[in-house]
Amino acid sequence: AQSVTQPDIHITVSEGASLELRCNYSYGATPYLFWYVQSPGQGLQLLLKYFSGDTLVQGIKGFEAEFKRSQSSFNLRKPSVHWSDAAEYFCAVGDGGSSNTGKLIFGQGTTLQVKP
Amino acid sequence: GAVVSQHPSWVICKSGTSVKIECRSLDFQATTMFWYRQFPKQSLMLMATSNEGSKATYEQGVEKDKFLINHASLTLSTLTVTSAHPEDSSFYICSAIRRGRRTDTQYFGPGTRLTVL
Repeated sequence: AQSVTQPDIHITVSEGASLELRCNYSYGATPYLFWYVQSPGQGLQLLLKYFSGDTLVQGIKGFEAEFKRSQSSFNLRKPSVHWSDAAEYFCAVGDGGSSNTGKLIFGQGTTLQVKP
Repeated sequence: GAVVSQHPSWVICKSGTSVKIECRSLDFQATTMFWYRQFPKQSLMLMATSNEGSKATYEQGVEKDKFLINHASLTLSTLTVTSAHPEDSSFYICSAIRRGRRTDTQYFGPGTRLTVL
C-alpha cells in the first residue's frame, strides 16, 4: 500500500531564508504526487503536482518540488520564504495506482513557522 | 477559481445526537466527492468516496452505519454522523473533483469542526 512520510513535524526558518520540506513516499510505480498548504480557516490549497515528465515541478507562490525516483522523494522548496508562508504543509500521493482517481494519502504534515 | 463550501463551519452537539455536514461545489458539478477526517496536529485520513447517484465507498475501518454519506445531486454531498460520541470530535474536510478535458482538479472545502460533548 502507498504511504507518505514527512520526517519534519515542525520547521522554523527566518524570513528571506530558503526552505526545503521533505517528503518520502512508498509506491512501486510512478506515483501521482502533490503538495498542499493548509491555513487556518481555509481549505487545502494545491501548491503543485507531479504526474509525469519533467521531474522539477513549478508551483504557485514561488514553490517548486523535485521528484527523485531513486530516493523516493518529492521535496518542496522555496528560495526565499515570506512571513505569509507560515502554515501547515502536506505531501500526498494518489491512491489510484496508474490512474488519478482523486483519492489521496496524506503525510503527517509539516508546520512551518517563519521568524521575522 | 472553483470553490467548495462546507456547512456548518463548526458545530457542537450532545452525545447521542446526529449531525449533518454539507459539502457543496459552488461553481462546478462534481460526480465524485471525498470525505476526510483530520485529528488535531495530524494528517487527513480518507473516510469515503461519495459518488453521485450511487452508494458511497468507505475506506477500511470506517463504519458506514455511523457515517452516512448521501450524494443526492451533482453539487451536494452530505455526511451525517449518527449517534455522535466524544471520540467523533474531529475536523471533517470534503473535497470535490472537477473533471476537465485534459485533467481533473480536486478542490477542498474549508472543513467543519465537530465537537461532541
